[in-house]
Amino acid sequence: QQQVKQSPQSLIVQKGGISIINCAYENTAFDYFPWYQQFPGKGPALLIAIRPDVSEKKEGRFTISFNKSAKQFSLHIMDSQPGDSATYFCAASLSGGYQKVTFGIGTKLQVIP
Amino acid sequence: DAGVTQSPTHLIKTRGQQVTLRCSPKSGHDTVSWYQQALGQGPQFIFQYYEEEERQRGNFPDRFSGHQFPNYSSELNVNALLLGDSALYLCASGVSETQYFGPGTRLLVL
Repeated sequence: QQQVKQSPQSLIVQKGGISIINCAYENTAFDYFPWYQQFPGKGPALLIAIRPDVSEKKEGRFTISFNKSAKQFSLHIMDSQPGDSATYFCAASLSGGYQKVTFGIGTKLQVIP
Repeated sequence: DAGVTQSPTHLIKTRGQQVTLRCSPKSGHDTVSWYQQALGQGPQFIFQYYEEEERQRGNFPDRFSGHQFPNYSSELNVNALLLGDSALYLCASGVSETQYFGPGTRLLVL
């Protein structure tokens, strides 16, 4: 049962372009939505996170857009750089304590010069 | 701050064997979660330990077991290894919803 669906699974973007990754969730009880960035040979690192009471959150070049009614959220990477090349995971969990994280399948992003 | 550390980094076992993986949480964290990440997939939750007890468990068989020590470090044990157990095993410690992951242990079962 894939509770968090992520697309696309791979993405190639030119340097300076916008990278967009989309996710959808099924469990309406989820109320914390983090994005993780993973480089080869490393564990996932928290990039940015949002709660459903906010429709958008921006941190530097990274922006999360959240649509609660559609149960969808997305990550936008502005001015994409070769150093952004990594695998990105959207995820979801319950809040209010120590909760397991449910991950999407991941998007492998390649930013070409 | 050393962050979350895991050992060993790589491990090769044969089918039917048993394996133990180790994790030390980030300083100040008292909860440890374990995840399995198959190649090309997102991490899948195995279980979580808090106060030396298993608090939550994902959809994994009883061959997967764990332990948490008084210093909050943790072990993941897998018995009767199958080829399908080959994966990156990630440990995470956290404060509330925010999880910090270690670099993982790459397990190959032959």
